[in-house]
Amino acid sequence: EVQLVESGGGLVKPGGSLRLSCAASGFTFSNAWMTWVRQAPGKGLEWVGRIKSKADGGTADYAAPVKGRFTISRDDSKNTLYLQMNSLKTEDTAVYYCTNQFDPWGQGTLVTVSS
Amino acid sequence: QSALTQPASVSGSPGQSITISCTGTSSDVGAYNYVSWYQQHPGKAPKLMIYDVSNRPSGVSNRFSGSKSGNTASLTISGLQAEDEADYYCSSYTTSSTLEVFGTGTKVTVL
Repeated sequence: EVQLVESGGGLVKPGGSLRLSCAASGFTFSNAWMTWVRQAPGKGLEWVGRIKSKADGGTADYAAPVKGRFTISRDDSKNTLYLQMNSLKTEDTAVYYCTNQFDPWGQGTLVTVSS
Repeated sequence: QSALTQPASVSGSPGQSITISCTGTSSDVGAYNYVSWYQQHPGKAPKLMIYDVSNRPSGVSNRFSGSKSGNTASLTISGLQAEDEADYYCSSYTTSSTLEVFGTGTKVTVL
């Protein structure tokens, strides 16, 4: 069974940092292009960024609101995807989901940025 | 990159058919056949229902179908059931640096 499990969310002050993890199982993670999507409370879905497989270059692309502050990385030996979030703003408050090309999605982890 | 435009709400009675529209531009919906649709129940993760405009993943009911004309994509739910009550989002690949854009979301109510 394909499974994605996010962790690492929590409460952080504006300007702070947080690293999210997404543990994958049930598929060949090293071949997967992985994506982060977020959803602010009561709002719609927003694409955050994507990382290609290492075989396809391993590069990451980011949405404009997070570019320069967020970094997506992967550890294929651990079947784990990461989202390093720096210089956090209140508007980054959201549930963060990881997904393998949008099918399936993890259960999400809540990040709250507040003083 | 602006979100794709969806109606805020659509409703129908059990057994009826409803259609949700998703309007973009020639830089996203109109440019590629990479439109997807997702179903999200309250407090749950989104679930992929349609990909590449009209393809259903394994396990998704054939009551769900997708289409596209120009800059507008559509999701049709036929034989509406109580379990279909949820939020629905479309998404499209886009030429902008934000590679994927989502729709504003539509709340489907089964009367």
